[in-house]
Amino acid sequence: EAGVAQSPRYKIIEKRQSVAFWCNPISGHATLYWYQQILGQGPKLLIQFQNNGVVDDSQLPKDRFSAERLKGVDSTLKIQPAKLEDSAVYLCASSLVERRAAFFGQGTRLTVV
Amino acid sequence: GQQVMQIPQYQHVQEGEDFTTYCNSSTTLSNIQWYKQRPGGHPVFLIQLVKSGEVKKQKRLTFQFGEAKKNSSLHITATQTTDVGTYFCAVDSNYQLIWGAGTKLIIKP
Repeated sequence: EAGVAQSPRYKIIEKRQSVAFWCNPISGHATLYWYQQILGQGPKLLIQFQNNGVVDDSQLPKDRFSAERLKGVDSTLKIQPAKLEDSAVYLCASSLVERRAAFFGQGTRLTVV
Repeated sequence: GQQVMQIPQYQHVQEGEDFTTYCNSSTTLSNIQWYKQRPGGHPVFLIQLVKSGEVKKQKRLTFQFGEAKKNSSLHITATQTTDVGTYFCAVDSNYQLIWGAGTKLIIKP
């Protein structure tokens, strides 16, 4: 069974630039999560989708972050414009059932300089 | 909102010694999940506990859910270098998965 696919693995951008991350969840998984993980901390949920609908985006900085999952399968997360404090690993995860075992992709390590 | 306290933040052990991490909540939990994250890696799901007083084992790992469903522990017997990483608990609360801060297992050289 293929796992959660994410790209790119690494990205370096200058502050105020924009960046986009892509995620393809495990086939059949209705729930998709985007997490931000800063070095030395636990994952912080940014947004949770159930199929193509948003379940929770309470911690998403909506002035600069946006995410979509138009067809209920793959998803993109965008940051525009990026700030230095956005430097982190962005993890995508999916689960078969909401709030049950989540399977993570390898993550995208973003460095904002 | 729901918070979960995970302790300790770090644990240094000699290879072969045991390791335990604890998660505590002020409210009753419906379930708790445990994940392991290797250095430079992504979180990997280990197990989910649902029942009061539940104990589950995976080889040298023992997971417990408290009788009151307010706390949980992960115990590793006779640690090996492959156990190195950060162990997270995650709890289900108000349609969110709330993560503990993690316990980092460090094997002393």
